[in-house]
Amino acid sequence: GAVVSQHPSRVICKSGTSVKIECRSLDFQATTMFWYRQFPKQSLMLMATSNEGSKATYEQGVEKDKFLINHASLTLSTLTVTSAHPEDSSFYICSLPRGSVEQYFGPGTRLTVT
Amino acid sequence: KQEVTQIPAALSVPEGENLVLNCSFTDSAIYNLQWFRQDPGKGLTSLLLIQSSQREQTSGRLNASLDKSSGRSTLYIAASQPGDSATYLCAVSGVNYGQNFVFGPGTRLSVLP
Repeated sequence: GAVVSQHPSRVICKSGTSVKIECRSLDFQATTMFWYRQFPKQSLMLMATSNEGSKATYEQGVEKDKFLINHASLTLSTLTVTSAHPEDSSFYICSLPRGSVEQYFGPGTRLTVT
Repeated sequence: KQEVTQIPAALSVPEGENLVLNCSFTDSAIYNLQWFRQDPGKGLTSLLLIQSSQREQTSGRLNASLDKSSGRSTLYIAASQPGDSATYLCAVSGVNYGQNFVFGPGTRLSVLP
């Protein structure tokens, strides 16, 4: 069965509003979760690393005040896109590492900002 | 900084052909390399995972090889079928950048009936 769930799978919002995306571990506790995004016809790029009990670390060029990450528990991380704009429209995917080998990817959330 | 490239960017073949997709990475200090399939508008489906100590993995019609010292991996698909049409992504996780993956740009495969 699925190891990682994401909610919602699709969301359409108006420009200027905020959207929250949840990434949930269904099988094990995850102290670290990764958030990626994929623009149309491009590959996945790491946005940030979500750390349970501490602040997220963001990749260069990703605005931490715009993409708020909260690792609320060992099974839940949320990504909130604040004041969304059309250029934020993308496919957002989370992943959970287990050990140094296994990594499980969520099914993704497609965000469309109109 | 790890960089991953994939060749070709796109490939169109008739059904039944055997084909090879290539992946190269610049930093050989990797934990593992993973091949994924992504259908249009969908998430990732893991195909094969090769740990840094391994040289190849096989699953059904798929075979992936890893030459860590030269920074290369190939994904071999035997007897291709129209259902294999998708984008194939190669990704590596490494010693120097944590457990996250660095993805290649993908190879878009079309298998024609």
